Amino acid sequence: EVQLVESGGGLVQPGGSLRLSCTGSGFTFSNYWMHWVRQAPDQGLVWVSRIKSDGSIISYADSVKGRFTISRDNAKNTVFLQMNSLRADDTAVYFCARDVRLDSRNYWGGSAGFWGQGTRVTVSS
Amino acid sequence: EIVLTQSPGTLSLSPGERATLSCRASQSIGTYLAWYQQKPGQAPRLLFYDASNRASAIPARFSGSGSGTDFTLTISSLEPEDFAFYYCQQRSNWPLTFGGGTKVEIK
Repeated sequence: EVQLVESGGGLVQPGGSLRLSCTGSGFTFSNYWMHWVRQAPDQGLVWVSRIKSDGSIISYADSVKGRFTISRDNAKNTVFLQMNSLRADDTAVYFCARDVRLDSRNYWGGSAGFWGQGTRVTVSS
Repeated sequence: EIVLTQSPGTLSLSPGERATLSCRASQSIGTYLAWYQQKPGQAPRLLFYDASNRASAIPARFSGSGSGTDFTLTISSLEPEDFAFYYCQQRSNWPLTFGGGTKVEIK
């Protein structure tokens, strides 16, 4: 059974940092793109970042570029989201997700087949 | 950025009725469209990817279709557990974007 478990959320002051982690099990982690998607309170879904199976391709939403860093450790089946210079509008539930398809040449990922339960990040003084 | 417009915003139907949800893209995205279902307090659940590929364990009453700029999610006969929010999402261009969602509520 595919499982994704996020951790690292919490309350942080504006300008602060948090590091989110997402550990996968039940599948070969190193074969899949991984994604972070967030949802502000009572709002829709926003794709934050993605990382290719081997970490060689990374993308960020403009709203987080230069502040957030996605990375992965395939030996530990874990993807990370380092969030710096946090702002009030970063307040959201952050979901990690595994791509629906096995990675392959010329595949850019982008359909989230399995999701974690989410971790809540609140940026407030 | 590709904008996805979902309609209607809210769909009020009774169990057993047919639901038809629309998603329109601001430019052609081929068939690079996914549909998700989300219930309050839960993570989204993938229903379809690449327009019409049903995700695992998704019941046959759900169907996805479309290409280019116009896409449809159809629920042939609503079950009580189908009342939820539904989002479309494109993977044609970065940034990946979601539509604003359609709420399917009990009439």
